[in-house]
Amino acid sequence: GQNIDQPTEMTATEGAIVQINCTYQTSGFNGLFWYQQHAGEAPTFLSYNVLDGLEEKGRFSSFLSRSKGYSYLLLKELQMKDSASYLCAVVDSNYQLIWGAGTKLIIKP
Amino acid sequence: IAGITQAPTSQILAAGRRMTLRCTQDMRHNAMYWYRQDLGLGLRLIHYSNTAGTTGKGEVPDGYSVSRANTDDFPLTLASAVPSQTSVYFCASSEGGLAGVNEQFFGPGTRLTVL
Repeated sequence: GQNIDQPTEMTATEGAIVQINCTYQTSGFNGLFWYQQHAGEAPTFLSYNVLDGLEEKGRFSSFLSRSKGYSYLLLKELQMKDSASYLCAVVDSNYQLIWGAGTKLIIKP
Repeated sequence: IAGITQAPTSQILAAGRRMTLRCTQDMRHNAMYWYRQDLGLGLRLIHYSNTAGTTGKGEVPDGYSVSRANTDDFPLTLASAVPSQTSVYFCASSEGGLAGVNEQFFGPGTRLTVL
């Protein structure tokens, strides 16, 4: 079967750095997405990785290792508004998105 | 209309009733999707459409049907609602014919409760 694993919940301090991990086992791989979802709102796109390595976009970076079936989202200089759920999703061999359950990130002052 | 809209915002429905959730996008995206999101589970794809006039089944299609008569609209119908269909439903759209590798834009969601 297809499986995406993420921690259920993480807590971090304002101004700090946090790394949210995602491991996957899917039938084929055509890329990995990270989305942000604030409580009661729709998911919004953060990043897309299809090649190994680190993609940096402002305070957010995303890393992919296809051989290890592993990705992480790195958030720097955390702000209170970063409190949200972060969803990892993999594009499988049928070009459909397989979603993880999401990681709820709690930022404390 | 800006982006993707859904209606209604929320609905309480008696079991056995028929219900259509509406979704409209103004971005001229080819592909559209319906997901349900339940606590503790990832988004699960119900149905999708790669282009107007075509639809496909996702991971959890049973009890749901869709149509794609034009580019903008993608309604989801529950023919006879059951309590297990209580969920938050998100409609999404993306550019291009290969549905999976493009960023998806999501509507605000419909919170449906079936009693």
